[in-house]
Amino acid sequence: DAGITQSPRHKVTETGTPVTLRCHQTENHRYMYWYRQDPGHGLRLIHYSYGVKDTDKGEVSDGYSVSRSKTEDFLLTLESATSSQTSVYFCAISNRRTNEKLFFGSGTQLSVL
Amino acid sequence: DQQVKQNSPSLSVQEGRISILNCDYTNSMFDYFLWYKKYPAEGPTFLISISSIKDKNEDGRFTVFLNKSAKHLSLHIVPSQPGDSAVYFCAASVEQGGSEKLVFGKGTKLTVNP
Repeated sequence: DAGITQSPRHKVTETGTPVTLRCHQTENHRYMYWYRQDPGHGLRLIHYSYGVKDTDKGEVSDGYSVSRSKTEDFLLTLESATSSQTSVYFCAISNRRTNEKLFFGSGTQLSVL
Repeated sequence: DQQVKQNSPSLSVQEGRISILNCDYTNSMFDYFLWYKKYPAEGPTFLISISSIKDKNEDGRFTVFLNKSAKHLSLHIVPSQPGDSAVYFCAASVEQGGSEKLVFGKGTKLTVNP
């Protein structure tokens, strides 16, 4: 997976609790992304980062925040998890401004009960 | 407002035959198109791409065709193999907010039967 590690791989949590997913890369790529995959929706961009402390919103950013304090780490936080955030979350990296050929991590299966 | 559409949720073909996966798009500003392949419990992996200035790109058993006038692209796999069984996502690149982002289709699940 091109040196991308997502943790945890699986998580079950309760509605209203905060959750943080971590993406760690060893490729020194500048651009990092968080996607969610849901049946009937494909992959949708949540947030992305151009570099350290430089982030922006994607198409489904409501209820999510991100932080990037180091090049190698990109954190996705659900401030107060809801059942609609049950999904598979993928981190992706790219070394170019144009994000062709994204390299994806193996995903985190999150269940919010 | 789905900009990239994969209208076939699933496709089943026999080993050795051709698999054709289709994708339609609505945004004429898309300038680069990609196909990703995804196995269960794994992240998507890049398969093949095509620039909007071309109409065909080939890589081994995989060929992508682009018809800009019809806003349609297709992925051909010849010959199909059981290991090709996966979900295939079509994606298109568009400039938005000063950077380029990928818009994905919903995916087509391909099953290649031995």
